[in-house]
Amino acid sequence: EVQLLNSGGGLEQPGGSLRLSCAASGFTFGNYHMAWVRQAPGKGLECVGSISGNDGRTFYADSVKGRFSISRDNSKNTLHLQMSSLRVEDTAIYYCAKVLTTDHSFWYGLDVWGQGTTVTVSS
Amino acid sequence: DIVMTQSPLSLPVTPGEPASISCRSSQSLLHTNGHNYLDWYLQKPGQSPQLLIYLGSNRASGVPDRFSGSASGTDFTLTISKVEAEDVGIYYCMQTLRFWTFGQGTKVEI
Repeated sequence: EVQLLNSGGGLEQPGGSLRLSCAASGFTFGNYHMAWVRQAPGKGLECVGSISGNDGRTFYADSVKGRFSISRDNSKNTLHLQMSSLRVEDTAIYYCAKVLTTDHSFWYGLDVWGQGTTVTVSS
Repeated sequence: DIVMTQSPLSLPVTPGEPASISCRSSQSLLHTNGHNYLDWYLQKPGQSPQLLIYLGSNRASGVPDRFSGSASGTDFTLTISKVEAEDVGIYYCMQTLRFWTFGQGTKVEI
């Protein structure tokens, strides 16, 4: 069964750091691009960033650029989101997701999602 | 940035009846390769989102054929031919042409 398992959320103070992880199983992890999507309480979905399957190219939303970093360990089938300089507005459920296509140029279709992990930034 | 605007934001539906949701992009999502870079997702209450439609009109694996997507310029439509009770939740469109941006969501309830 294709599955993504989120972990690492919690409560952190403004200005602090957290590292989220996403364990993948049931597919050849290294072949696929991956993404992080967040959802603030009672709000809609926002793409935080993404990473390519093979060459590690990363893309970030302007709201997190310079503060968040996405990485992956293909040998351990694991995706990470390192969050630093956290702000109150980063409070959200964070989902990892698998990209449907393996195309190098066009990424579309988030076809598998983790269960989400909650990050709360508060003093 | 490409802005996605959905309408309506709330949609009461009746089981067995059709329903449709609109999504408009601030720029064309049609690439010269002929594809429209637009996905549709459903987030059921208490669950993670699930992919329904990709590239404007392609149903994802396992998605019932009562769901269909269409495109006309910068206007996109998700249609449910006959609504079922399990279709309640929030529907989102997302453009995938330049980075990814979601619409605000449309809450569908019976």
